[in-house]
Amino acid sequence: SAVISQKPSRDICQRGTSLTIQCQVDSQVTMMFWYRQQPGQSLTLIATANQGSEATYESGFVIDKFPISRPNLTFSTLTVSNMSPEDSSIYLCSVVLAGSLDTQYFGPGTRLTVL
Amino acid sequence: AQRVTQPEKLLSVFKGAPVELKCNYSYSGSPELFWYVQYSRQRLQLLLRHISRESIKGFTADLNKGETSFHLKKPFAQEEDSAMYYCAPNTGANSKLTFGKGITLSVRP
Repeated sequence: SAVISQKPSRDICQRGTSLTIQCQVDSQVTMMFWYRQQPGQSLTLIATANQGSEATYESGFVIDKFPISRPNLTFSTLTVSNMSPEDSSIYLCSVVLAGSLDTQYFGPGTRLTVL
Repeated sequence: AQRVTQPEKLLSVFKGAPVELKCNYSYSGSPELFWYVQYSRQRLQLLLRHISRESIKGFTADLNKGETSFHLKKPFAQEEDSAMYYCAPNTGANSKLTFGKGITLSVRP
């Protein structure tokens, strides 16, 4: 199994600021994703993080608001830009490990509160 | 439109009772189906996937293509089964998952 870590685990931020969340995996991965889980809601896919190229965003999510980087196979960042209270959520990264077919494994999540 | 439905938000049973968590999907083609579980204060984790045809922690799930369902079942619930359960089809495009709204299973002693 792999260790998937996220930093920070939680943060409280002011409106209008930005926060960058990191996701690090200690094994080879083929795919990386970012999800959002709003309070009391299910998980919603934000985007697929592509190594060395622009992320692929789902409907309703845009690069200006959620810029994503993936400089190598095992590391990715998600930035939540110009935050508002509506961005208060848990943000999760997930990965498909090399050789694990299509199974996604999740990080512990980052709990973001925007005041 | 492609979607997944978990019709119930909460299921509360006594220890030893049978459990069935419902999941219906509406997708063209043949999606791969997963059940994920989140125990209190733990991260989301895979419980089982239909292609494996395994029984994990006593849970099984059968894909019924005629009814487009993938219900999760366990004959005798245990208190440690109390958790949030999500049904998630993989639509096949780059391993992307679509999560249902989830159901909270509460197993009382």
